[in-house]
Amino acid sequence: NAGVTQTPKFQVLKTGQSMTLQCAQDMNHNSMYWYRQDPGMGLRLIYYSASEGTTDKGEVPNGYNVSRLNKREFSLRLESAAPSQTSVYFCASSGAGGNTEQFFGPGTRLTVL
Amino acid sequence: GDSVTQMEGPVTLSEEAFLTINCTYTATGYPSLFWYVQYPGEGLQLLLKATKADDKGSNKGFEATYRKETTSFHLEKGSVQVSDSAVYFCALSEPSGTYKYIFGTGTRLKVLA
Repeated sequence: NAGVTQTPKFQVLKTGQSMTLQCAQDMNHNSMYWYRQDPGMGLRLIYYSASEGTTDKGEVPNGYNVSRLNKREFSLRLESAAPSQTSVYFCASSGAGGNTEQFFGPGTRLTVL
Repeated sequence: GDSVTQMEGPVTLSEEAFLTINCTYTATGYPSLFWYVQYPGEGLQLLLKATKADDKGSNKGFEATYRKETTSFHLEKGSVQVSDSAVYFCALSEPSGTYKYIFGTGTRLKVLA
């Protein structure tokens, strides 16, 4: 039981390049989330998927797209990376309902030059 | 909108000292409240939670009580250890069923031997 896995762990991009961050969970959770963590800002929600087949914008969605590929997988895409997107990205999942614990992946540290 | 405010760090304590990290929230309904801990280089993991007023969450010697009258959920531990050094996040889940979670900015704790 791996929980929530994320790939890659580290990535360096040049401005304008694109990439996809992958996330998978094996807990049969309905809801999945993407956050970014910046110093002094805490965690900010980028996008979330309440259930398979649905996605919604969070607090900071600009410059990102997501795909809920199936119940297990939720990917985050940067179409044209900018230095402001340098951050640590966390994927999380939770069971049904908004009052349950979130389980987090280990994070992806992204640097955009 | 809903929000979480927690004390700024860093908090530096000697081993065996008493710990309090303050957290207050604003919410229109009756959210669930959480404390997460993040160790260096890792994702967040749930430390404790409370789902209704006057509930006390506890784990690994940490405690927090859901105080609706003061809209607070302060984290306490009677005797900290060096291994407790980490960043602590207070969070709430919105009660409206939108599956969103709101995190505080985090408080870094450093415990000295």
